[in-house]
Amino acid sequence: GAGVSQTPSNKVTEKGKYVELRCDPISGHTALYWYRQSLGQGPEFLIYFQGTGAADDSGLPNDRFFAVRPEGSVSTLKIQRTERGDSAVYLCASRYENEQFFGPGTRLTVL
Amino acid sequence: QKEVEQNSGPLSVPEGAIASLNCTYSDRGSQSFFWYRQYSGKSPELIMSIYSNGDKEDGRFTAQLNKASQYVSLLIRDSQPSDSATYLCAVSRTGGYQKVTFGTGTKLQVIP
Repeated sequence: GAGVSQTPSNKVTEKGKYVELRCDPISGHTALYWYRQSLGQGPEFLIYFQGTGAADDSGLPNDRFFAVRPEGSVSTLKIQRTERGDSAVYLCASRYENEQFFGPGTRLTVL
Repeated sequence: QKEVEQNSGPLSVPEGAIASLNCTYSDRGSQSFFWYRQYSGKSPELIMSIYSNGDKEDGRFTAQLNKASQYVSLLIRDSQPSDSATYLCAVSRTGGYQKVTFGTGTKLQVIP
């Protein structure tokens, strides 16, 4: 079956712009995570959905970051007024039992 | 203090040797422990999970957990050049709270 997919694979934007990153989890996986990974670092937890609701959004760095999962499947991570420090690989993972399956990530570059 | 600590490496071992990767964590409420492998430019993939004190073996991999010492390790026997990657330690609580916290990873280099 298909794994977790993320689009776009690469996104280059200018400082101050708005971006949306999409995650399509494995069918039937109710739990979905967003992480951010900078070079040389481990994935940094951002937010976790159980179904449609955000069960834990404590990792979102500030109010420029927001994520939704309106139908309990596809999720979108939204970043407003992007800053150069937002440049990183954004990883999505869906979970079955206690195992997380990661997507390929979206590499965001803010110029 | 970081929640999950790992030596960043690189850890270099000759082919065929045992690689030993270590991780400590600060949250005593942690109940689930994971080792992920991440090749350069790729996403993490789960290789081992452990939930109880002691050892858990899967092929060439053995995970070891000591909750009293807040320590988890991964042993790779008969290391192969294809094992060269970054190994990420991750921990989470259970009982409905499923935030997962990752360490910074240890880079392993297996020298042919």
